[in-house]
Amino acid sequence: AQSVSQHNHHVILSEAASLELGCNYSYGGTVNLFWYVQYPGQHLQLLLKYFSGDPLVKGIKGFEAEFIKSKFSFNLRKPSVQWSDTAEYFCAVNADNTDKLIFGTGTRLQVFP
Amino acid sequence: DAGVIQSPRHEVTEMGQEVTLRCKPISGHNSLFWYRQTMMRGLELLIYFNNNVPIDDSGMPEDRFSAKMPNASFSTLKIQPSEPRDSAVYFCASSAGSSGNTIYFGEGSWLTVV
Repeated sequence: AQSVSQHNHHVILSEAASLELGCNYSYGGTVNLFWYVQYPGQHLQLLLKYFSGDPLVKGIKGFEAEFIKSKFSFNLRKPSVQWSDTAEYFCAVNADNTDKLIFGTGTRLQVFP
Repeated sequence: DAGVIQSPRHEVTEMGQEVTLRCKPISGHNSLFWYRQTMMRGLELLIYFNNNVPIDDSGMPEDRFSAKMPNASFSTLKIQPSEPRDSAVYFCASSAGSSGNTIYFGEGSWLTVV
C-alpha cells in the first residue's frame, strides 16, 4: 500500500526566508501527487498537483514543487515566505487509478515577521 | 458555487451518545470521502464512496463507526456509542471521481466527546 512521509514536523522561519518541505512517498507505480494547505481553523485547500509532464509544478501563492521519480520525492518550495504562509502543509498521493488520497502527517510552518 | 457542506460545525457530546455528522458534496461530484484529523494520527481516510457505493472502508476504526450515502447529494457518518478518543475534526470531501482529480474539502465537523 502507498504511504507518504513528511519528515519536517514543525518549521519556523522569518519572513523572506526560503522554504523547502520534504515529502517522500512509497509506491512503485504511477502516482499523482498533491500539496494541500490548511490555514489555522480552516479546511484543506489545494496548493498544487502533479499528474504528468514537467516535473516542476507551479501552484498558487508562489509555491512550487518538484517531482523526482528516482527519489520518490515531491518537495514543496517557496523562495521567500510571508507571515500569511503560516499554516499546516500536507503532501498527498493517489495511485491504483483511484482518486483516494493518502496524506502525510503534515508539516506545521510558522513564519515570524 | 457551493463547496462541500458539513454539519454540525461543532458538537460536544457525552460519552455513550450517538453522533451523526452530515455532508453534502459538490453537485456533480461522484466520489465522497470521510477523513478524520487528530494531532496524534494526522489525516486518516475513514471511508470513501464512488457513485454512492462504499469502495474502501478499511479506515473505519471499529464497528461503532458507520457511514451511508443514500443518494448523490448526501452522506452521513455515525458514531454509536461515542467515546472520548473519537474527539477529532471530521472532514468530508468530494471529487469528480477520476484518478488525479482534485479533492475538495468541507470545513469540518469539530467533535468533542466528554
